[in-house]
Amino acid sequence: EAGVAQSPRYKIIEKRQSVAFWCNPISGHATLYWYQQILGQGPKLLIQFQNNGVVDDSQLPKDRFSAERLKGVDSTLKIQPAKLEDSAVYLCASSFNPMAGQETQYFGPGTRLLVL
Amino acid sequence: AQSVTQLGSHVSVSEGALVLLRCNYSSSVPPYLFWYVQYPNQGLQLLLKYTTGATLVKGINGFEAEFKKSETSFHLTKPSAHMSDAAEYFCAVRTGGGNKLTFGGGTRVLVKP
Repeated sequence: EAGVAQSPRYKIIEKRQSVAFWCNPISGHATLYWYQQILGQGPKLLIQFQNNGVVDDSQLPKDRFSAERLKGVDSTLKIQPAKLEDSAVYLCASSFNPMAGQETQYFGPGTRLLVL
Repeated sequence: AQSVTQLGSHVSVSEGALVLLRCNYSSSVPPYLFWYVQYPNQGLQLLLKYTTGATLVKGINGFEAEFKKSETSFHLTKPSAHMSDAAEYFCAVRTGGGNKLTFGGGTRVLVKP
C-alpha cells in the first residue's frame, strides 16, 4: 500500500514570495491533516479536512496561509507572502475514518521550507 | 485544553541499556495517547497507541508504554537499546472527536556503542 506522498521535499524561497505544497493521502482515507513542525518542536496542526470540508483550521494563519482539497483526495497548502518564521517542515497526514474509530494518522515525509 | 509534556529534550543511552522516555499529559476527557518516532528527514511513524482497554501497550521495534491514569503519564520503554533506535520520539494526545493530535516537544535519543 502506497503511503502519503508529498512534494516538493525541499524548497528555498525569499521572504514575501509565495510557495505551494502538495499532498496525496493514502487511497481511501477520508481525513487529511496539514501540520507545521518548527525545528526543535513537535508538529502543530494547521488544518484538518474531512473529505473536501474543513473540520478544524483554528491554528491556520489565514492572512497568509490557505489550503484546499477540492475533490476530497489530494490537497495543496499555500503560503503568500512567506515570512522568515514560516521556515519549518510541513507534514501531511491522513487517516481512514476517525469517526469510526480508525483514528491512526499516517504521515508523509514532509516538505522542508527555508525562507531567506 | 489538552497538552503534552515530554521530560528531557535529549536522552543518551548505551547500546543494550534500558530506554525510558517520559510523557505526561493533561486532558479533560479520557485520552487517546500515541507515541511516534521520526528518523532524520522522514515523516512520523506510529510506534504504539492507547485507546481503551489494557493499559500496557506493546508496539513495534520492541517498544511498549503504560497508561497510568492516576499519574497522567504514558511513558515509553524498551528493555535494550539498539543503534537503530537513534531518532526523535514524540508523544501525542488526541483531543476531541475531530481526531486532532497535540504533540509534545519531542525527545531526541542518542545511542552510544
